[in-house]
Amino acid sequence: DAKTTQPNSMESNEEEPVHLPCNHSTISGTDYIHWYRQLPSQGPEYVIHGLTSNVNNRMASLAIAEDRKSSTLILHRATLRDAAVYYCILRGAPGGGTSYGKLTFGQGTILTVHP
Amino acid sequence: NAGVMQNPRHLVRRRGQEARLRCSPMKGHSHVYWYRQLPEEGLKFMVYLQKENIIDESGMPKERFSAEFPKEGPSILRIQQVVRGDSAAYFCASSPTGQSNQPQHFGDGTRLSIL
Repeated sequence: DAKTTQPNSMESNEEEPVHLPCNHSTISGTDYIHWYRQLPSQGPEYVIHGLTSNVNNRMASLAIAEDRKSSTLILHRATLRDAAVYYCILRGAPGGGTSYGKLTFGQGTILTVHP
Repeated sequence: NAGVMQNPRHLVRRRGQEARLRCSPMKGHSHVYWYRQLPEEGLKFMVYLQKENIIDESGMPKERFSAEFPKEGPSILRIQQVVRGDSAAYFCASSPTGQSNQPQHFGDGTRLSIL
Protein backbone atom coordinates (compact mmCIF):
# COMPACT_ATOMS: atom_id res chain seq x y z
CA ASP A 1 0.00 0.00 0.00
CA ALA A 2 1.14 3.54 -0.74
CA LYS A 3 2.06 5.16 2.57
CA THR A 4 1.77 8.66 3.93
CA THR A 5 4.07 10.53 6.30
CA GLN A 6 2.87 13.27 8.62
CA PRO A 7 4.47 15.18 11.49
CA ASN A 8 3.54 13.76 14.88
CA SER A 9 2.25 17.07 16.22
CA MET A 10 1.72 20.72 15.38
CA GLU A 11 0.58 23.74 17.32
CA SER A 12 -1.36 26.81 16.32
CA ASN A 13 -2.99 29.83 17.85
CA GLU A 14 -6.67 30.46 17.59
CA GLU A 15 -7.80 32.37 14.50
CA GLU A 16 -4.51 31.79 12.71
CA PRO A 17 -4.14 29.63 9.58
CA VAL A 18 -2.80 26.11 9.94
CA HIS A 19 -0.96 24.16 7.25
CA LEU A 20 -0.81 20.42 7.88
CA PRO A 21 1.63 18.65 5.55
CA CYS A 22 1.53 15.10 4.22
CA ASN A 23 4.11 13.29 2.13
CA HIS A 24 3.05 10.44 -0.15
CA SER A 25 5.97 9.92 -2.50
CA THR A 26 4.79 6.46 -3.68
CA ILE A 27 1.29 7.61 -4.64
CA SER A 28 -0.23 5.95 -7.69
CA GLY A 29 -1.88 7.85 -10.50
CA THR A 30 -5.37 6.72 -9.51
CA ASP A 31 -5.01 7.30 -5.75
CA TYR A 32 -7.24 9.88 -4.12
CA ILE A 33 -5.86 11.88 -1.20
CA HIS A 34 -8.31 11.95 1.69
CA TRP A 35 -8.16 13.82 4.99
CA TYR A 36 -10.05 12.86 8.11
CA ARG A 37 -9.86 14.15 11.64
CA GLN A 38 -10.78 12.68 15.00
CA LEU A 39 -11.80 14.87 17.88
CA PRO A 40 -11.39 13.49 21.41
CA SER A 41 -13.92 10.75 22.23
CA GLN A 42 -15.54 10.95 18.79
CA GLY A 43 -15.49 8.98 15.58
CA PRO A 44 -13.39 10.12 12.64
CA GLU A 45 -14.84 12.93 10.58
CA TYR A 46 -14.32 13.36 6.85
CA VAL A 47 -12.66 16.67 6.01
CA ILE A 48 -11.80 16.80 2.32
CA HIS A 49 -10.38 14.80 -0.58
CA GLY A 50 -8.82 15.42 -3.97
CA LEU A 51 -7.04 13.80 -6.89
CA THR A 52 -4.93 16.37 -8.74
CA SER A 53 -6.44 19.84 -8.41
CA ASN A 54 -6.65 21.93 -5.27
CA VAL A 55 -9.99 21.61 -3.48
CA ASN A 56 -11.97 23.88 -1.19
CA ASN A 57 -14.96 23.18 1.01
CA ARG A 58 -16.57 24.77 4.04
CA MET A 59 -14.15 23.06 6.41
CA ALA A 60 -10.77 23.41 4.75
CA SER A 61 -8.69 23.61 1.60
CA LEU A 62 -6.48 20.92 0.13
CA ALA A 63 -3.39 21.93 -1.81
CA ILE A 64 -1.87 19.13 -3.90
CA ALA A 65 1.66 19.39 -5.25
CA GLU A 66 2.03 19.28 -9.00
CA ASP A 67 3.88 15.92 -8.83
CA ARG A 68 1.28 14.68 -6.27
CA LYS A 69 3.99 13.45 -3.95
CA SER A 70 2.79 15.74 -1.18
CA SER A 71 -0.27 17.67 -0.10
CA THR A 72 -1.22 20.23 2.52
CA LEU A 73 -4.45 20.57 4.45
CA ILE A 74 -5.17 24.22 5.17
CA LEU A 75 -7.43 25.40 7.96
CA HIS A 76 -7.89 29.07 7.23
CA ARG A 77 -8.73 30.21 10.75
CA ALA A 78 -8.13 27.67 13.48
CA THR A 79 -10.63 27.45 16.31
CA LEU A 80 -10.41 25.52 19.56
CA ARG A 81 -12.83 23.03 18.04
CA ASP A 82 -10.23 22.18 15.37
CA ALA A 83 -7.97 20.55 17.98
CA ALA A 84 -7.89 16.95 16.82
CA VAL A 85 -5.79 14.23 15.22
CA TYR A 86 -5.62 14.76 11.47
CA TYR A 87 -5.12 11.82 9.15
CA CYS A 88 -3.92 11.90 5.55
CA ILE A 89 -5.00 8.72 3.75
CA LEU A 90 -4.62 7.43 0.21
CA ARG A 91 -7.49 5.53 -1.38
CA GLY A 92 -6.96 3.59 -4.56
CA ALA A 93 -9.00 2.07 -7.33
CA PRO A 94 -9.90 -1.65 -7.32
CA GLY A 95 -7.01 -3.87 -8.31
CA GLY A 96 -4.45 -1.18 -7.65
CA GLY A 97 -1.63 -1.29 -5.12
CA THR A 98 -3.35 1.03 -2.68
CA SER A 99 -6.08 -0.03 -0.30
CA TYR A 100 -9.49 -0.14 -1.92
CA GLY A 101 -12.57 0.22 0.22
CA LYS A 102 -10.93 0.34 3.61
CA LEU A 103 -9.21 3.37 5.08
CA THR A 104 -5.67 2.76 6.36
CA PHE A 105 -5.04 5.15 9.23
CA GLY A 106 -1.51 6.08 10.22
CA GLN A 107 -0.56 7.91 13.41
CA GLY A 108 -1.75 11.26 12.07
CA THR A 109 -0.84 14.73 13.27
CA ILE A 110 -2.03 15.89 16.67
CA LEU A 111 -3.07 19.52 16.27
CA THR A 112 -3.11 21.66 19.40
CA VAL A 113 -4.84 25.05 19.18
CA HIS A 114 -3.96 27.66 21.79
CA PRO A 115 -6.49 30.33 22.81
CA ASN B 1 -30.67 13.17 7.30
CA ALA B 2 -29.54 11.04 10.20
CA GLY B 3 -25.90 10.08 10.35
CA VAL B 4 -24.43 6.68 11.06
CA MET B 5 -26.00 5.34 14.23
CA GLN B 6 -24.18 2.95 16.49
CA ASN B 7 -25.54 1.31 19.58
CA PRO B 8 -24.99 0.85 22.31
CA ARG B 9 -22.60 3.73 22.95
CA HIS B 10 -21.11 1.87 25.89
CA LEU B 11 -21.14 -1.86 26.49
CA VAL B 12 -19.76 -3.73 29.48
CA ARG B 13 -19.25 -7.47 29.34
CA ARG B 14 -17.57 -10.05 31.54
CA ARG B 15 -14.93 -12.33 30.15
CA GLY B 16 -16.48 -15.20 28.22
CA GLN B 17 -19.70 -13.37 27.33
CA GLU B 18 -20.80 -12.31 23.88
CA ALA B 19 -20.83 -8.73 22.63
CA ARG B 20 -23.08 -7.53 19.82
CA LEU B 21 -22.45 -4.13 18.30
CA ARG B 22 -24.96 -2.61 15.93
CA CYS B 23 -24.53 -0.10 13.14
CA SER B 24 -27.22 1.55 11.05
CA PRO B 25 -25.68 3.24 8.03
CA MET B 26 -26.76 6.55 6.62
CA LYS B 27 -29.86 6.43 4.46
CA GLY B 28 -29.02 5.27 0.97
CA HIS B 29 -25.65 3.80 1.97
CA SER B 30 -25.17 0.12 1.23
CA HIS B 31 -21.47 -0.15 2.11
CA VAL B 32 -20.40 -0.55 5.74
CA TYR B 33 -16.96 -0.66 7.31
CA TRP B 34 -15.92 -1.59 10.85
CA TYR B 35 -12.81 -0.25 12.56
CA ARG B 36 -11.32 -0.83 16.00
CA GLN B 37 -9.30 1.56 18.13
CA LEU B 38 -7.46 -0.05 21.01
CA PRO B 39 -6.51 2.17 23.96
CA GLU B 40 -3.66 4.53 23.04
CA GLU B 41 -3.48 3.05 19.54
CA GLY B 42 -4.58 4.04 16.07
CA LEU B 43 -7.65 3.04 14.12
CA LYS B 44 -7.44 -0.34 12.44
CA PHE B 45 -9.70 -1.63 9.69
CA MET B 46 -11.58 -4.82 10.48
CA VAL B 47 -14.15 -5.63 7.83
CA TYR B 48 -15.94 -4.18 4.81
CA LEU B 49 -19.44 -5.34 3.92
CA GLN B 50 -21.98 -4.62 1.26
CA LYS B 51 -25.57 -5.75 1.72
CA GLU B 52 -25.45 -9.49 2.49
CA ASN B 53 -21.83 -9.79 1.33
CA ILE B 54 -18.45 -9.57 3.00
CA ILE B 55 -16.14 -7.74 0.63
CA ASP B 56 -12.94 -7.59 2.68
CA GLU B 57 -12.36 -9.19 6.08
CA SER B 58 -8.59 -8.94 6.07
CA GLY B 59 -8.56 -7.06 9.38
CA MET B 60 -10.80 -9.41 11.31
CA PRO B 61 -9.26 -11.66 13.95
CA LYS B 62 -9.56 -15.26 12.78
CA GLU B 63 -11.47 -16.46 15.82
CA ARG B 64 -14.42 -15.20 17.86
CA PHE B 65 -15.20 -12.24 15.58
CA SER B 66 -17.87 -12.16 12.91
CA ALA B 67 -19.80 -9.51 11.02
CA GLU B 68 -22.94 -9.40 8.96
CA PHE B 69 -24.98 -6.85 7.07
CA PRO B 70 -28.35 -8.40 6.28
CA LYS B 71 -30.73 -7.27 3.58
CA GLU B 72 -32.92 -5.70 6.24
CA GLY B 73 -31.67 -4.16 9.45
CA PRO B 74 -28.38 -2.92 10.83
CA SER B 75 -24.92 -4.36 10.42
CA ILE B 76 -23.83 -6.44 13.40
CA LEU B 77 -20.31 -7.00 14.71
CA ARG B 78 -20.32 -10.00 17.00
CA ILE B 79 -17.58 -10.94 19.41
CA GLN B 80 -17.90 -14.30 21.11
CA GLN B 81 -16.22 -15.27 24.38
CA VAL B 82 -14.81 -11.82 24.94
CA VAL B 83 -11.41 -11.33 26.56
CA ARG B 84 -9.84 -8.29 28.22
CA GLY B 85 -7.91 -7.51 25.05
CA ASP B 86 -11.18 -6.87 23.21
CA SER B 87 -11.69 -3.70 25.23
CA ALA B 88 -11.65 -0.93 22.63
CA ALA B 89 -13.72 1.60 20.75
CA TYR B 90 -15.42 0.09 17.72
CA PHE B 91 -16.38 2.46 14.93
CA CYS B 92 -18.66 1.87 12.00
CA ALA B 93 -18.62 3.88 8.80
CA SER B 94 -20.80 3.87 5.71
CA SER B 95 -20.66 5.12 2.15
CA PRO B 96 -23.03 5.00 -0.82
CA THR B 97 -20.51 3.06 -2.90
CA GLY B 98 -17.04 1.66 -2.38
CA GLN B 99 -15.48 4.05 -4.84
CA SER B 100 -12.23 5.69 -3.73
CA ASN B 101 -13.59 9.18 -4.39
CA GLN B 102 -16.39 8.69 -1.88
CA PRO B 103 -15.94 9.71 1.76
CA GLN B 104 -16.83 7.37 4.58
CA HIS B 105 -19.13 8.71 7.27
CA PHE B 106 -18.46 7.48 10.78
CA GLY B 107 -20.62 6.90 13.79
CA ASP B 108 -19.62 7.89 17.30
CA GLY B 109 -18.58 4.36 18.16
CA THR B 110 -19.28 1.72 20.76
CA ARG B 111 -16.91 1.64 23.70
CA LEU B 112 -16.57 -1.96 24.82
CA SER B 113 -15.22 -2.67 28.29
CA ILE B 114 -14.44 -6.19 29.44
CA LEU B 115 -14.42 -6.87 33.17
